[in-house]
Amino acid sequence: SQQGEEDPQALSIQEGENATMNCSYKTSINNLQWYRQNSGRGLVHLILIRSNEREKHSGRLRVTLDTSKKSSSLLITASRAADTASYFCATDPSGSARQLTFGSGTQLTVLP
Amino acid sequence: EPEVTQTPSHQVTQMGQEVILRCVPISNHLYFYWYRQILGQKVEFLVSFYNNEISEKSEIFDDQFSVERPDGSNFTLKIRSTKLEDSAMYFCASRLTGASSGELFFGEGSRLTVL
Repeated sequence: SQQGEEDPQALSIQEGENATMNCSYKTSINNLQWYRQNSGRGLVHLILIRSNEREKHSGRLRVTLDTSKKSSSLLITASRAADTASYFCATDPSGSARQLTFGSGTQLTVLP
Repeated sequence: EPEVTQTPSHQVTQMGQEVILRCVPISNHLYFYWYRQILGQKVEFLVSFYNNEISEKSEIFDDQFSVERPDGSNFTLKIRSTKLEDSAMYFCASRLTGASSGELFFGEGSRLTVL
């Protein structure tokens, strides 16, 4: 089964605007993580939210988790051109750390 | 800041050839992973490795693939007989702890092109 499907697939906004990306998943999770990937580069961990948490903040990032709807959102406030990247959610179903399952990602473009 | 390093950054090979991709995880990390990303597609889990053995592998990780930690610092992925569909970016990752609070640290990837 597919886990971690993001929407939208692509998002284009102006610098200074907020960007919201959503992630849905199908099975129960222990935690959900968001990663960022600049074009052709490796993935960089942004934030982790556990299944018993509803919201988490880190700098300009805000992540929410609704386990009843099996969904999460990532909000980037006051976006900058440097935020242009692909953003992936990754689910850890068991918390065993044996694997993360990544979604297909949202390509965010922030126009200067 | 410690980082995961991967070599080569790009390898071009002929179909049927063996390829070894190398990774040096962060030194005190205990869990190691290989993921791959076919161009324009999602990042797919291949294998996880802990305590010198595979702890989990996906359906993609068939008999053509193997992993090894030969010397306590390197972590390698070998593809015995490459196929065209093996062309992808291969990412190594490591993690300090098996607890759910741990994040994965990824390398910059090795791009494999099979001709």
